[in-house]
Amino acid sequence: NAGVTQTPKFRILKIGQSMTLQCTQDMNHNYMYWYRQDPGMGLKLIYYSVGAGITDKGEVPNGYNVSRSTTEDFPLRLELAAPSQTSVYFCASSFSLSASGFQETQYFGPGTRLLVL
Amino acid sequence: DAKTTQPPSMDCAEGRAANLPCNHSTISGNEYVYWYRQIHSQGPQYIIHGLKNNETNEMASLIITEDRKSSTLILPHATLRDTAVYYCIVRVDNTDKLIFGTGTRLQVFP
Repeated sequence: NAGVTQTPKFRILKIGQSMTLQCTQDMNHNYMYWYRQDPGMGLKLIYYSVGAGITDKGEVPNGYNVSRSTTEDFPLRLELAAPSQTSVYFCASSFSLSASGFQETQYFGPGTRLLVL
Repeated sequence: DAKTTQPPSMDCAEGRAANLPCNHSTISGNEYVYWYRQIHSQGPQYIIHGLKNNETNEMASLIITEDRKSSTLILPHATLRDTAVYYCIVRVDNTDKLIFGTGTRLQVFP
């Protein structure tokens, strides 16, 4: 298993440009997540999905959009890039039964480094 | 906002036990405590989790107080490769979100 893969690894965007960060997992996990991490800071949840066709906002959703058409893929869309979106973006997945208080281990991808100039 | 409080940094000598504390005073009865770590700029890595009882695996031990308002992650014999940021996390109120705080930066020195 490849686990969680993310593309691209690094990208430079100009202000106002758009792009999609790709995330794919091959573990048949139902939950997927997008986090961002600014320099020297912890991770902040952007969006998450509990299954195909279902997405929900995290702590910092403004400026981003997501979709979940398949179990495997969870792309993150930036429509109008701003310097404040310069960050490292991590995708993660897990298998969870939301009816219980337990959430299984989240597996993280290697991250996408985004620089907006 | 994160539901946990951790010291921003700690030091530990190589070969000694590293004890990382975490306060989670508002934790609910069915919420688990999770620990992850992030080495340099890599994606976070799962370490251990627990509900009420103390837990141990090949990486670490987790000690949870009886009132569940705090916990301690123990790395029994810290190595230089354990230098990382350690995150203590609880689930957000009846949701599926895990909110990462700012964590504790552990520096293991020779």
